[in-house]
Amino acid sequence: AQKITQTQPGMFVQEKEAVTLDCTYDTSDQSYGLFWYKQPSSGEMIFLIYQGSYDEQNATEGRYSLNFQKARKSANLVISASQLGDSAMYFCAMREVSSGSARQLTFGSGTQLTVLP
Amino acid sequence: NAGVTQTPKFQVLKTGQSMTLQCAQDMNHEYMSWYRQDPGMGLRLIHYSVGAGITDQGEVPNGYNVSRSTTEDFPLRLLSAAPSQTSVYFCASSYDGLYYEQYFGPGTRLTVT
Repeated sequence: AQKITQTQPGMFVQEKEAVTLDCTYDTSDQSYGLFWYKQPSSGEMIFLIYQGSYDEQNATEGRYSLNFQKARKSANLVISASQLGDSAMYFCAMREVSSGSARQLTFGSGTQLTVLP
Repeated sequence: NAGVTQTPKFQVLKTGQSMTLQCAQDMNHEYMSWYRQDPGMGLRLIHYSVGAGITDQGEVPNGYNVSRSTTEDFPLRLLSAAPSQTSVYFCASSYDGLYYEQYFGPGTRLTVT
């Protein structure tokens, strides 16, 4: 089974509108971390936001917020007031206790967001 | 701080050649890792290290070797390049733990012909 599922290969949003990028995850661990990364066309991976499994409040970082629904195992990224520079590939990722010392980030397949002027 | 640096940015190899991708970080991070990114996919872990002298395999280690003699450096060696190793390679570092974000280098685009 996929550990991280991003069901939207591509999304379009009008400039200045909000957009939600979906992410569901699969783990039996109680302790895990969820991350969102942005990859613009230039190729670098940019960390956006983090949510710990024990955090009761949804994480926010500027225009980014994470809609964390633990019981549903979802960690959707919400971008408010979209800008043209938000056009990029967005990856959801998870780090789990059961990965042991690997502490690896397990990535979803990504969502390509295009912001329209 | 330079963060995580990788060299080279681009490389073309012939099948059977070997090479080393360099990675360095100046944030005193214990944890370093190498990922590969293939088209239409997320990143997959090749090898990782939790400190100098300690390395281990990730999800896709075959054909790659690593060593970690210092905290700062974590080179990735391709032993005998194959076309299946054509990919974009990312080095990343973080503090050791579940709750720390990984910082990524700019990536190396490798083509094996």
